[in-house]
Amino acid sequence: QKEVEQNSGPLSVPEGAIASLNCTYSDRGSQSFFWYRQYSGKSPELIMSIYSNGDKEDGRFTAQLNKASQYVSLLIRDSQPSDSATYLCAVNWNQAGTALIFGKGTTLSVSS
Amino acid sequence: EAEVAQSPRYKITEKSQAVAFWCDPISGHATLYWYRQILGQGPELLVQFQDESVVDDSQLPKDRFSAERLKGVDSTLKIQPAELGDSAMYLCASRDGGGNNEQFFGPGTRLTVL
Repeated sequence: QKEVEQNSGPLSVPEGAIASLNCTYSDRGSQSFFWYRQYSGKSPELIMSIYSNGDKEDGRFTAQLNKASQYVSLLIRDSQPSDSATYLCAVNWNQAGTALIFGKGTTLSVSS
Repeated sequence: EAEVAQSPRYKITEKSQAVAFWCDPISGHATLYWYRQILGQGPELLVQFQDESVVDDSQLPKDRFSAERLKGVDSTLKIQPAELGDSAMYLCASRDGGGNNEQFFGPGTRLTVL
């Protein structure tokens, strides 16, 4: 059973702080890893993708991947109230290598 | 900016009725996915198309759900008959043919079955 696990939260951080979101996955064959942001009532929006071990930075966002530990994380620096949303971790899983399996998401709340 | 289009955005129906959702992927995207997202959960794959062919429909409840992408462009997902447990957000996503596997979602269709 392929699984992606996330803490549901809520994770509460003050404005300007670093938010750290974590994700573990069960399929060692997974190759592609993604973070989506989803505002309440809206569809998921892709914010980060990562394919190799290490860090990938894009603006205030840093994704970290450790395939040996089957662990993916997302750091949000200088958190803003507009970052308050649910963050979904997604991993590719099927034989064609493209369909994604998602975690349940972590709800982030940034207070001003 | 190219986007995935979906309609309708909202649908309210009674159980045992038929419903249909439409999706138009980003132009040129050969791979199209339908996902279902129940409140509080992550999206779950229902069906994956590569052009007009079904790649994976192992999680599609085929007794009541059907999906087609006849010309390899837009796609329709149908439920007949709808059940109370089908209330969810139905999301369409598409991906280009490159190796990065990035998928982009449409706005979704919120289905409520009464």
